[in-house]
Amino acid sequence: AQSVTQLGSHVSVSEGALVLLRCNYSSSVPPYLFWYVQYPNQGLQLLLKYTSAATLVKGINGFEAEFKKSETSFHLTKPSAHMSDAAEYFCAVMRGYSGAGSYQLTFGKGTKLSVIP
Amino acid sequence: DTGVSQDPRHKITKRGQNVTFRCDPISEHNRLYWYRQTLGQGPEFLTYFQNEAQLEKSRLLSDRFSAERPKGSFSTLEIQRTEQGDSAMYLCASSFAQPDNEKLFFGSGTQLSVL
Repeated sequence: AQSVTQLGSHVSVSEGALVLLRCNYSSSVPPYLFWYVQYPNQGLQLLLKYTSAATLVKGINGFEAEFKKSETSFHLTKPSAHMSDAAEYFCAVMRGYSGAGSYQLTFGKGTKLSVIP
Repeated sequence: DTGVSQDPRHKITKRGQNVTFRCDPISEHNRLYWYRQTLGQGPEFLTYFQNEAQLEKSRLLSDRFSAERPKGSFSTLEIQRTEQGDSAMYLCASSFAQPDNEKLFFGSGTQLSVL
């Protein structure tokens, strides 16, 4: 079974400061990992994904995440926060693209990011 | 806009009533997913279709829930005899199946409140 744990349900940063949102995963097979962002009253939008290629993944809006197998982590970072980054962020794991349970995303509980001007 | 469309955006119903939600995926997408999101939680997988075939169902999908995608295009999710615990945001997503490169596009969801 797959699971993700997001540390911190709410993170506040100042505008221009580093954004770090933490995600640890558990998976019985090599995982596929994703970060999604959800703005109020909108659906989820994919920020980036890791699918066993490069361990450092660059996504949209200046976000990136690094897959660290030894730490079972996939933390999301952005060097400089912008007011428009305020949203809820979800880490998700997927078992794979074949076999039972494939294509199913298991999401963490989410981290709400606030950006202080 | 050719994104994933869900209807209605909001539904308020009384306990015991039946409700039906509709999802229109992006036209060329052959996979369609339903997820449920409750307050303070991440979305939970319910079921998915490839074309008109329902390939996976979560154990969360009790026998009061039924989903269809009759022509491999739009999908409906019906909840019979609603309970207060069914109150949640129901999210639909679609994708074009590409091994190792699949990207899900989510709709804005249908917020269900069961009184």
